Amino acid sequence: EVQLLESGGGLVQPGGSLRLSCAASGFTFTSSTMSWVRQAPGKGLEWVSSISGSGGSTYSADSVKGRSTISRDNSRNTLYLQMNSLRADDTAVYYCAKERVYNWNPGDSYDYWGQGALVTVSS
Amino acid sequence: IQLTQSPSSLSASVGDRVTITCRASQDIGSYLAWYQQKPGKAPNLLIYAASTLQSGVPSRFSGSGSGTDFTLTISSLQPEDFATYYCQHLNSYPRTFGQGTKLEI
Repeated sequence: EVQLLESGGGLVQPGGSLRLSCAASGFTFTSSTMSWVRQAPGKGLEWVSSISGSGGSTYSADSVKGRSTISRDNSRNTLYLQMNSLRADDTAVYYCAKERVYNWNPGDSYDYWGQGALVTVSS
Repeated sequence: IQLTQSPSSLSASVGDRVTITCRASQDIGSYLAWYQQKPGKAPNLLIYAASTLQSGVPSRFSGSGSGTDFTLTISSLQPEDFATYYCQHLNSYPRTFGQGTKLEI
């Protein structure tokens, strides 16, 4: 059974930092492109960042570029999102998601999602 | 690539046939997925590659289209289908989502 379990969310002050983790199991993690998607309260889904199975390719949305880093530890089957210089508009539930196909690009869908981690940026 | 869904919200009844559209700002081939999201839950994959039904998804859901124009159709609405629906392109990065369509009773 595929499982994705996020952790690391919480309340952080503006300008602060946070690292989200996503522990994966039940599939071949090292072959899978992984992504972070966020959803601000009452808003739609926003793709944040993706990383290839090897970790050699990454891409991030302009809204977080320069402030966040996606990474992975394939020995621990864990995905990370390091977020710095956090702003109020980074407040959201952050989901990790697995791509269905073993391609970096193009893909075709996200077939498994975690339950989400809430990040609240507020003083 | 921008994705524009229409309508943004839709009222319908159990048994109705419903169609949601997603228009891409440029050709994305068939690299489009559809998701259903219920309040407080993670999105759930319905359709990938524009028209392929994900395993376990009821056959009343179907997808069509290629290039820039896509549709998600629910042939006969069931009570559990009232949710918000999103399209997403996976043709290139960034992998954008449509703004969502809220389907209400």
